[in-house]
Amino acid sequence: GENVEQHPSTLSVQEGDSAVIKCTYSDSASNYFPWYKQELGKGPQLIIDIRSNVGEKKDQRIAVTLNKTAKHFSLHITETQPEDSAVYFCAASLKKLTFGTGTRLTIIP
Amino acid sequence: DGGITQSPKYLFRKEGQNVTLSCEQNLNHDAMYWYRQDPGQGLRLIYYSQIVNDFQKGDIAEGYSVSREKKESFPLTVTSAQKNPTAFYLCASGDNEQFFGPGTRLTVL
Repeated sequence: GENVEQHPSTLSVQEGDSAVIKCTYSDSASNYFPWYKQELGKGPQLIIDIRSNVGEKKDQRIAVTLNKTAKHFSLHITETQPEDSAVYFCAASLKKLTFGTGTRLTIIP
Repeated sequence: DGGITQSPKYLFRKEGQNVTLSCEQNLNHDAMYWYRQDPGQGLRLIYYSQIVNDFQKGDIAEGYSVSREKKESFPLTVTSAQKNPTAFYLCASGDNEQFFGPGTRLTVL
């Protein structure tokens, strides 16, 4: 089955700087790659996703890139703000979502 | 107000008891999912249902049961056969993207 690895597990970034989280997947047939943000005690919130026919997608301060050849995809957050502090999960899917183990992002004011 | 609701928010169970977690959605999604989240791990799929009256086991179905009698509802029963049921349980729905409910935290006393 699919296996998703996510790095780093923790990330601290100065407010205003950029943050990058990386994921790799094993099943070359996977074609959908969402990113979720989870705040403490809450359910994950879908923040951006990308499908395998696209290499990059951007939504305001967040962007996702996909390299199908290398089987990795990344989340980029620019101009970070304190409210970006949360745990971020990547996932890969052909029929079912397989999640990475999460990255705890802390924005330092 | 559209969305996914889970109840209760907190649930305490004595060893040997079965408990049922509720999940309701009014988004008209055919597909619904149950995940388990443990500290330091990603979300793991317990059961999923792609249509009413049909459901499939996920990666960690042992000790759990589900039903899908209505499109809007997908209750999860944690049985006494589940060896380590203390966890955060998340319900999701969605036919392309997946959207999550707020979660139920189950603690075994």
